[in-house]
Amino acid sequence: EVQLLESGGGLVQPGGSLRLSCAASGFTFSSYAMSWVRQAPGKGLEWVSTISGSGGSTYYADSVKGRFTISRDNSKNTVHLQMNSLRAEDTAEYYCAKIGVVDYWGQGTLVTVSS
Amino acid sequence: EVVLTQSPATLSLSPGERATLSCRASQSVSSSLAWYQQKPGQAPRLLIYDASNRATGIPARFSGSGSGTDFTLTISSLEPEDFAVYYCQQRNNWPPWTFGQGTKVEIK
Repeated sequence: EVQLLESGGGLVQPGGSLRLSCAASGFTFSSYAMSWVRQAPGKGLEWVSTISGSGGSTYYADSVKGRFTISRDNSKNTVHLQMNSLRAEDTAEYYCAKIGVVDYWGQGTLVTVSS
Repeated sequence: EVVLTQSPATLSLSPGERATLSCRASQSVSSSLAWYQQKPGQAPRLLIYDASNRATGIPARFSGSGSGTDFTLTISSLEPEDFAVYYCQQRNNWPPWTFGQGTKVEIK
């Protein structure tokens, strides 16, 4: 059974940092690009970042470029999202996902940026 | 960046009725369009990929059509569990992947 389990969300002050993690199981993790997609409360879906299977290529939405860093550890089947200089508008549910012909999504982890 | 515009924003229908949802792209995305269903408190679920291919386990009442800039998701006969929010996503011109703003299918 495929599982994606996010962790690391929480309440952080503006300007602060958080590191999200996603632990994957049930598929050949290193063969697939992995992504983070977020959803602000009551709003739609927004793609945040994607990393290739090898980790050699990374992509970011303009809204997070220069502040967020995606990485992966294929030996541990995990993908991370380091979020720095957080803003109120980064408040959202963050989903880890393998997007493709076959999609897998985690259940999400909530990040709240507030003073 | 490709902008996806979904219409209508809300669709009020009764169980058993046909639902037709539209997604229009600001430029051609070929057939690289997906449809998702999302229920409250749940992650999105892939319904359709490459415009017209049903994902694994998706019932036949869901169908997708279109290419280029105009796409349609049709639910032939609404079941109670189909009342949800539906998003389209383009996978052709990325980054960034972009999503439409969603169409809510609600019970009339």
